[in-house]
Amino acid sequence: AQKVTQAQTEISVVEKEDVTLDCVYETRDTTYYLFWYKQPPSGELVFLIRRNSFDEQNEISGRYSWNFQKSTSSFNFTITASQVVDSAVYFCALSENTGTASKLTFGTGTRLQVTL
Amino acid sequence: EAQVTQNPRYLITVTGKKLTVTCSQNMNHEYMSWYRQDPGLGLRQIYYSMNVEVTDKGDVPEGYKVSRKEKRNFPLILESPSPNQTSLYFCASSLAINTGGYTFGSGTRLTVV
Repeated sequence: AQKVTQAQTEISVVEKEDVTLDCVYETRDTTYYLFWYKQPPSGELVFLIRRNSFDEQNEISGRYSWNFQKSTSSFNFTITASQVVDSAVYFCALSENTGTASKLTFGTGTRLQVTL
Repeated sequence: EAQVTQNPRYLITVTGKKLTVTCSQNMNHEYMSWYRQDPGLGLRQIYYSMNVEVTDKGDVPEGYKVSRKEKRNFPLILESPSPNQTSLYFCASSLAINTGGYTFGSGTRLTVV
């Protein structure tokens, strides 16, 4: 069974600090997708990134960057120069590919608090 | 606009009173699923549907029913809600399984008293 671990339950930083959210996953599939979602206080899930298991290139989008390392089964998310608007719960998720069933397996989330 | 629409957004109900949370998508997606979100547990899958008339249990199906009579709709039914079903519920859809393109609804916050 697949599993996603976000060991950091809560992180608190001061604005403009860099912060990295850790995500470690387990799967027996060779083909899978990894995701990060943001959940602001309003409650909706905001899609941030999807990464195919065959694509290990790191990605940067503005202040956000992602480091995918298959060797360590990790897909970490870094926010550079954090802002108060980054305060949210962040979920890492893994998509299974069994051919007969499909689901996203989510981590338990990391609550990020950015203060002035 | 491509979207998944859930209703209602908020619902407070009493134990045992049947309720339905609706989910509708306008993207002609084959795959739809329901998740519940609880503190410290992340999101867990309740039920999913691969296509019309094809549904199956996820990780936490007890106390829930679903139906998929039309491709666009996937309602979640609680026949006899209990307080332990107080949660935040999300509906999601995708074109096919494991395409990596999941679209989530805005969520339904359910309180059972």
